Amino acid sequence: DQQVKQNSPSLSVQEGRISILNCDYTNSMFDYFLWYKKYPAEGPTFLISISSIKDKNEDGRFTVFLNKSAKHLSLHIVPSQPGDSAVYFCAATETDKIIFGKGTRLHILP
Amino acid sequence: NAGVMQNPRHLVRRRGQEARLRCSPMKGHSHVYWYRQLPEEGLKFMVYLQKENIIDESGMPKERFSAEFPKEGPSILRIQQVVRGDSAAYFCASSPPRPAETQYFGPGTRLLVL
Repeated sequence: DQQVKQNSPSLSVQEGRISILNCDYTNSMFDYFLWYKKYPAEGPTFLISISSIKDKNEDGRFTVFLNKSAKHLSLHIVPSQPGDSAVYFCAATETDKIIFGKGTRLHILP
Repeated sequence: NAGVMQNPRHLVRRRGQEARLRCSPMKGHSHVYWYRQLPEEGLKFMVYLQKENIIDESGMPKERFSAEFPKEGPSILRIQQVVRGDSAAYFCASSPPRPAETQYFGPGTRLLVL
């Protein structure tokens, strides 16, 4: 039973356009939602988070939106850059552990 | 300030052998977490430890797997009598006390069981 779901295994976006990565969750008790970025052969790197009491958090080119009623969050990257090509994991915290989705592989096309 | 360190980066074992994975947290961090990533899957929580204490091991398989974080030295994830299904990437993360979103991940150990 997956509590955090990323239904798109991969996404291709033109450089300079907006990348939108989606995530759904089932547990309404999650405290924080997080996005991690992962390059091959490296560990995940924390990107941005949002508290369950907020609906938007912005950090530079990255914005995360949370829709609690729909149990849905999304990560917007604008403008997309070649270095953004990576696997993006949506995650949520439950007490002290992080629950990860399966990831979405983002390809930024030249 | 060095990040989370894991060694070895790659480990090859034959079925039935033991695997020992080490994790040195970031300086000043006293909380360590272990996650496992199977092929084509996301990372799955295994265990959360503080110095000399296991806080949450709800993600650990009931047999063959154990973890420790001694007063001195790195945290160790130990897998006894490895099987092919143990082949995965094992990531360690560390954090200062709460909140959990400040977990910093190491580069991982890739375990291959032949």
